[in-house]
Amino acid sequence: GENVEQHPSTLSVQEGDSAVIKCTYSDSASNYFPWYKQELGKGPQLIIDIRSNVGEKKDQRIAVTLNKTAKHFSLHITETQPEDSAVYFCAATPSDYKLSFGAGTTVTVRA
Amino acid sequence: EPEVTQTPSHQVTQMGQEVILRCVPISNHLYFYWYRQILGQKVEFLVSFYNNEISEKSEIFDDQFSVERPDGSNFTLKIRSTKLEDSAMYFCASRGTGPNYGYTFGSGTRLTVV
Repeated sequence: GENVEQHPSTLSVQEGDSAVIKCTYSDSASNYFPWYKQELGKGPQLIIDIRSNVGEKKDQRIAVTLNKTAKHFSLHITETQPEDSAVYFCAATPSDYKLSFGAGTTVTVRA
Repeated sequence: EPEVTQTPSHQVTQMGQEVILRCVPISNHLYFYWYRQILGQKVEFLVSFYNNEISEKSEIFDDQFSVERPDGSNFTLKIRSTKLEDSAMYFCASRGTGPNYGYTFGSGTRLTVV
């Protein structure tokens, strides 16, 4: 099955700086790569996703890049703000029926 | 913004008891899922449900677990005889198709088995 590795496990950044989280996946058939933000006591919230026919996607301060050859994808958050502090999960799936998650990155934005 | 609704938000149950976790997926979604997250760990896939049947399940989803879509709106997860290790946050998710492909997760049910 699909195995997703995520790094780093924790990330502390100064407000206004950028944050980058990286994930690798094992199944070359994976074709959908979402990123989720999880705040304390809440469910994962989709913040951006990318399909395998696209190399990069941007939505305001958030961007995701995908390298299918190397089987890795990354989340970039620019101009970080205190409300960006949360746990971020990457995920991947080769099918309609199952999403495999990374272990999560706890992001802390220092004011 | 459409939401996936889960009830209850917190359930405490005695070991060996049956529990039913309830979910109302987004109305025009066709794919339904249950995931769980043990405290401090990654979100784990349990089961997916499509066209009124299970389409895939994980090793965790053994004979003690079952899912049902009893009507056009609800989607339930039943654990027949709970164990201490079933204590976790359980998330329901649903997914649409085409431009609505993204998975939407509910806020979860925290299950505590004592």
